[in-house]
Amino acid sequence: QVQLVESGGGLVKPGGSLRLSCVVSGFSLSDYYMSWIRQAPGKGLEWVSYMSSSGRTIHYADSVKGRFTISRDNAKNSLYLQMNSLRAEDTAVYYCAAFDLRADWGQGTLVTVSS
Amino acid sequence: DIQMTQSPSILSASVGDRVTITCRASQSISSWLAWYQQKPGKAPKLLIYKASSLESGVPSRFSGSGSGTDFTLTISSLQPDDFATYYCQQYNNYPGTFGQGTKVEIK
Repeated sequence: QVQLVESGGGLVKPGGSLRLSCVVSGFSLSDYYMSWIRQAPGKGLEWVSYMSSSGRTIHYADSVKGRFTISRDNAKNSLYLQMNSLRAEDTAVYYCAAFDLRADWGQGTLVTVSS
Repeated sequence: DIQMTQSPSILSASVGDRVTITCRASQSISSWLAWYQQKPGKAPKLLIYKASSLESGVPSRFSGSGSGTDFTLTISSLQPDDFATYYCQQYNNYPGTFGQGTKVEIK
């Protein structure tokens, strides 16, 4: 059974850093396109970052480019999002999701950027 | 990036109504479109993938159609549990952009 579990969210001050983790089970990271997607309070869904199944192709939304880094550890079945220079507008629930023919999502982790 | 335009933004309907939500892509995405249902405080739930394939466990009153640039989500007979926000997402090209959402509310 496919499962994705995010962790690492919390309260951080502007300019601070957080590292989100997404542990997956029931599939291999190298078989799926993986994405981080976020949802600010009361807003719609926003794609943040993407990694191809090979890991060779990575993309970022313009709003996070240069500040966020996506990575993975196949041996640990884990996807990561390193978030630096955080801003108030990064406050959101962050979801990891796996895509092939269909999509599987985690339950999300809340990141709050506030002084 | 491919833009996804979803309409309407808000839809007022009654239990038993047939409901249709549309999603238009700014360029062809073949059939690489998903529909999600989201309730407050919950993660999006996959309803339809590959434009018309019903996700396992999703009631058959939900259906999807379309290809290329124009897509539709239909709920054949709206049930109380269906009042929620619905999103389309293209995953033909990355980033996998989303529509802005349709809130289905009680009339």
